[in-house]
Amino acid sequence: GAVVSQHPSRVICKSGTSVKIECRSLDFQATTMFWYRQFPKQSLMLMATSNEGSKATYEQGVEKDKFLINHASLTLSTLTVTSAHPEDSSFYICSARTSGRYSYNEQFFGPGTRLTVL
Amino acid sequence: LAKTTQPISMDSYEGQEVNITCSHNNIATNDYITWYQQFPSQGPRFIIQGYKTKVTNEVASLFIPADRKSSTLSLPRVSLSDTAVYYCLVGDSGFQKLVFGTGTRLLVSP
Repeated sequence: GAVVSQHPSRVICKSGTSVKIECRSLDFQATTMFWYRQFPKQSLMLMATSNEGSKATYEQGVEKDKFLINHASLTLSTLTVTSAHPEDSSFYICSARTSGRYSYNEQFFGPGTRLTVL
Repeated sequence: LAKTTQPISMDSYEGQEVNITCSHNNIATNDYITWYQQFPSQGPRFIIQGYKTKVTNEVASLFIPADRKSSTLSLPRVSLSDTAVYYCLVGDSGFQKLVFGTGTRLLVSP
């Protein structure tokens, strides 16, 4: 299957700082990338959908000014958590979707990034 | 997107067959059924996908009855490493979003 990487895998930051998480599709071009958040013992919650070259579509209740998403190329999307606070501490997971090469509604997930805000 | 219902948790022993059933009463004609596996602190991993009847791959089988209102993921001869959360998702061929339900937490014991 296709490979999706995330960097960093783990980050600890101080309250009020911004953190950028990268999501890369390593061996395919991702027309669409998704960002999820997962709290302990809970399911994944979709935050936003991003298509290359266009603005991200945010789910209801997700602050677009706080969670900045950039999808500048077909292999890279970034999520920036601005002015992070302890309640933003979570496991952030990206996924990438493509068409043609694989099952058309299969998403490939990254390994996740553990964010801890002190 | 059709809503899915799964058992919150299941317990099994090594070597046993595990069947996890998912209900999706409102599944639409164009919807496919997809199962993902997630280990702690990792992203979900695609297991299997099907539309009707039976699908089998190297890790699992997926049984879908004629009315498609439910599906069963079958894991043959589970091992300790199969301990994970299993998610059932339903959506059509063009759906963009995956909506994850609660999933089923499978615990395999020695």
